[in-house]
Formats: sequence, structure tokens, C-alpha cells
Amino acid sequence: DAKTTQPPSMDCAEGRAANLPCNHSTISGNEYVYWYRQIHSQGPQYIIHGLKNNETNEMASLIITEDRKSSTLILPHATLRDTAVYYCIVSLTGNQFYFGTGTSLTVIP
Amino acid sequence: GAVVSQHPSRVICKSGTSVKIECRSLDFQATTMFWYRQFPKQSLMLMATSNEGSKATYEQGVEKDKFLINHASLTLSTLTVTSAHPEDSSFYICSAEARQGKNYGYTFGSGTRLTVV
Repeated sequence: DAKTTQPPSMDCAEGRAANLPCNHSTISGNEYVYWYRQIHSQGPQYIIHGLKNNETNEMASLIITEDRKSSTLILPHATLRDTAVYYCIVSLTGNQFYFGTGTSLTVIP
Repeated sequence: GAVVSQHPSRVICKSGTSVKIECRSLDFQATTMFWYRQFPKQSLMLMATSNEGSKATYEQGVEKDKFLINHASLTLSTLTVTSAHPEDSSFYICSAEARQGKNYGYTFGSGTRLTVV
């Protein structure tokens, strides 16, 4: 079962930062936090993942709280093509992914 | 980067027939692949874990005799929906783990939309 809670939907103005929160209060010490997104009728796309430290790549930044019970995905300059459902997943490396309901992000022109 | 190819992307079949969906890892080997099902406006639901050279592990409530999984090689897993019925119409997605430097994680196929008429 999914161990994450996300708001069902969010809006963001084009060009602004999109901050997507995720609660994972029951995360265990070795579990990673993964973020994926799914554009309509496509397979999920990997965005970023982390264990304890904050992470940044060309797509996004991941901020994990010190107690690891929550995290935030940051898209620094949202574009219309970032409109998608964003999934936060907690899992051990090599284990199955159980998807929660995700956050439907709409980027508004 | 790691690519998972799924075929076909869309299929329509008659009720009572069987349909095979292929999932291939194109540039890496995958000892484990995963199969998901997604109904409209819902999240992905894990159906089974496909293990190369051994039997698949099914999630609770998923009928193993209806959803046959074969993982005969390190680059190919197949899902066969047997005796398909309209309620099996769904979006089926596979994934595999590809370890490439630091950015390892699961790579997903583009999905197969099955319509049973």
C-alpha cells in the first residue's frame, strides 16, 4: 500500500515555482523518496529521488525534512508542459512501487 | 538513458479472446519487471512482479490464471490477458529497474491501452 499523502490538485502560474508537498510520516530509515510524473495516457516519468539530503537535477529539486516525514518537490520555473499528475513514492531500493493518488498539477498561462 | 518499450500501444479485442502485451528493456538487463493497471482517472495499481526465470509474484486480488506473466529473458516480460472481458479494459504499464550511475530508479514503458468489446 502507498505510504504517502499528497494534495489532490494544485495550480501554478507559468514561469513561477511549483512546490508540491508530500507526507510520508511512516517512512523507514532505508526507504527512499521518489518523485515521478505522468502526463495523460503515458507511462510515468522519473523526476528525482533522495534518501536524506536535498537533491537537485536538471528537472527539479527535492527538499526532505530533517525527520524525513515529509518532502517537497520544486519545479523552479513551471511551463505548460509541466501539467501532469505528480506521484511521490516511498520505497526501498529494488522493491515494488505502490502509487498513491498523486497531485494533479495544472500550470496556468 | 534506460528505455522500456511496450508493445502494442493500443489493442482492441473481442470478449473471450486473449491478448499478449510485451515489455522490453532496450539497453539494459532487467531481472525484475513490474506490471501495473490503471483505470481512468485513477492511480497505477501494481498487479504483479515479474521475475526472470521464475514465477511471477501477484498482488492480492489479482488472478494469476487470468493475467499470465512470462519473463523468459533478461530483456523481455510478457503479460497475457486471458479470456478478456470488457471489465479488463484498462491501461497496462510495465516498469523495470535500470541502474545507471546515480540516477537509478524505475523506468516505465509508454503503456498499452486495452479495449475489450
